[in-house]
Amino acid sequence: AQSVTQLDSHVSVSEGTPVLLRCNYSSSYSPSLFWYVQHPNKGLQLLLKYTSAATLVKGINGFEAEFKKSETSFHLTKPSAHMSDAAEYFCVVSRTGNTPLVFGKGTRLSVIA
Amino acid sequence: GAVVSQHPSRVICKSGTSVKIECRSLDFQATTMFWYRQFPKQSLMLMATSNEGSKATYEQGVEKDKFLINHASLTLSTLTVTSAHPEDSSFYICSASVRRENSPLHFGNGTRLTVT
Repeated sequence: AQSVTQLDSHVSVSEGTPVLLRCNYSSSYSPSLFWYVQHPNKGLQLLLKYTSAATLVKGINGFEAEFKKSETSFHLTKPSAHMSDAAEYFCVVSRTGNTPLVFGKGTRLSVIA
Repeated sequence: GAVVSQHPSRVICKSGTSVKIECRSLDFQATTMFWYRQFPKQSLMLMATSNEGSKATYEQGVEKDKFLINHASLTLSTLTVTSAHPEDSSFYICSASVRRENSPLHFGNGTRLTVT
C-alpha cells in the first residue's frame, strides 16, 4: 500500500529565503511521486513529478525536489521564496505511471514580506 | 490553460437521498477522469478511474454500487453517491486528462458533501 507523510502542516518563510517542504513516502511498488500546488480558490496544479528517471527533478516556478530512496523522501525546495508562492502544497505518491493515488495532508506555505 | 469545472462546490443532503456531482472539461476532450475523496483530517485518495465509454475501475475498498460513475462523453463525468449516509460526508474532487503518455492532470475545485 502507498502512503504519504508531509511532515509540516504549516511552513512560514520570509520573502527571498529558501523554502523546504518535507515529504516522506511509503510504497510497495517503485513509486511515482508528485508535488502539486493549490492557490486559494483554485484547482490543483502540477509542480513536478518523479517517475524513475533523474532523482533531482526540476519543476515550474523554480521549484525542485530530490528523490532519495534510502530515506524514502521527496522534499520540495526553492532557493528563494516569492510572495506568490504562498499556497497549499501536496505531496503525492502513485503506482508507476501518471495516476496520482494518495495525497499527503498538505503543507500550507506562508511567505512574509 | 485547460480548465476542469466541478459542480456543485457544496451540497447538503438528507440521509438516504442520492447526490450527483458533475465534472466537466471545458476546453479539451478528457479521455480519462479520476475521482478522489478526502475524509476530514485525512489524505485525498483515488476512488476510481473512468475512461470515456467504458466502465470505471474502482480502487480497493470503494463500493461501485455506492459510488456510481458515468463517463458518457469526452467532456463530462458524473459521480453519484447513492443512498447517502453521514459517513459519506467528505470532500470529492475530480481530475481529467487525455489518454496520452505524460499528459497532465487537470483538477476541479472539489465538492464538499455533507449528509445530515
